[in-house]
Amino acid sequence: NAGVTQTPKFRVLKTGQSMTLLCAQDMNHEYMYWYRQDPGMGLRLIHYSVGEGTTAKGEVPDGYNVSRLKKQNFLLGLESAAPSQTSVYFCASRDNNQPQHFGDGTRLSIL
Amino acid sequence: DQQVKQNSPSLSVQEGRISILNCDYTNSMFDYFLWYKKYPAEGPTFLISISSIKDKNEDGRFTVFLNKSAKHLSLHIVPSQPGDSAVYFCAASAGSGYALNFGKGTSLLVTP
Repeated sequence: NAGVTQTPKFRVLKTGQSMTLLCAQDMNHEYMYWYRQDPGMGLRLIHYSVGEGTTAKGEVPDGYNVSRLKKQNFLLGLESAAPSQTSVYFCASRDNNQPQHFGDGTRLSIL
Repeated sequence: DQQVKQNSPSLSVQEGRISILNCDYTNSMFDYFLWYKKYPAEGPTFLISISSIKDKNEDGRFTVFLNKSAKHLSLHIVPSQPGDSAVYFCAASAGSGYALNFGKGTSLLVTP
């Protein structure tokens, strides 16, 4: 049972490049979330999903897009990466009335 | 605006003593509170939670206290162990089914 798996673990991009971060969960959870964590900050919600085919904006959605085509996967896209998007990205999932389970993060640097 | 505040960035405690981590919140709609523990290069791990209908929840060495009138909660770890050294995040939501608001974290160091 892998739980929540994030791919890739590390990535360096140049400004203007695009990429997709993948989050996969094998717990059949309905809810999935993308957060970013910056130095000295707590986790801030980017986008979330309450079920397959649904997405919603969180606290800091600008510059990101998401898709939930399959229940087990939640993709976070950066269409045109900016240095301000350098961060550690965490994905989480949960079942009804249960706490969120987190992946180990993707460390993204944008030069 | 930060709705969940952890005003102590760091805390150092001797092994065997009590660790007390504090958290304040401003949104009166919050009614579900959690503590997460995070080691370097890993994701946060759920530790303990409490709903607003309770004022205390205990799980082994970990106890969370909630003071709704003061909008304050605290995490007590007794006795503290070196393996407890980590960053602890307080989080809150309006209902258990909603998105979490996180504090900035408190880095706990338990020294032998």
